[in-house]
Amino acid sequence: DAGVTQSPTHLIKTRGQQVTLRCSPISGHKSVSWYQQVLGQGPQFIFQYYEKEERGRGNFPDRFSARQFPNYSSELNVNALLLGDSALYLCASSWAVTGELFFGEGSRLTVL
Amino acid sequence: DQQVKQNSPSLSVQEGRISILNCDYTNSMFDYFLWYKKYPAEGPTFLISISSIKDKNEDGRFTVFLNKSAKHLSLHIVPSQPGDSAVYFCAASRGSGYALNFGKGTSLLVTP
Repeated sequence: DAGVTQSPTHLIKTRGQQVTLRCSPISGHKSVSWYQQVLGQGPQFIFQYYEKEERGRGNFPDRFSARQFPNYSSELNVNALLLGDSALYLCASSWAVTGELFFGEGSRLTVL
Repeated sequence: DQQVKQNSPSLSVQEGRISILNCDYTNSMFDYFLWYKKYPAEGPTFLISISSIKDKNEDGRFTVFLNKSAKHLSLHIVPSQPGDSAVYFCAASRGSGYALNFGKGTSLLVTP
């Protein structure tokens, strides 16, 4: 069975640009969460979606937004990129709101 | 502020010996605790969890101990194997299914 898949795996943007990251959860999983991992730090919670509804939001500015589609895939959008947005963006899925999180390999964003 | 702390950035252990990874938390509302393991270029992988109603949970070579009064948990790996070499993240949440708060990780190296 396919695990959590994320795209793109690597990308480079310049300050002020916008980026969209995509995530496909494990088949049958209805909940998707996004985490940001800056170098040398642990992952930090950004969003959780369940059944296409936002269930939780971390301490991130409004430049960060996300959505979940009817097929349970998800997109994370970041506008007006800053150098500090350079990080590994991890998507995780779970069968329901509760339960073990399965992480993808992440999308590494570099902002120049 | 860091609510989950892993104060040892790295740990080196000989194969066959015990590895003990420590984690402290500050938020008394946390009642669900997890350990994740991460290899380079891969997403974190769930290892073991414990809820606050228990003080010990065991799964094969891995045991997690929880000391609620000290707000401290530890992961014991016995016996340690070279394949256990990875970064280990401690995480905590207010109930299963809620946002995970991660520590900065401890890099474990198991030498032959």
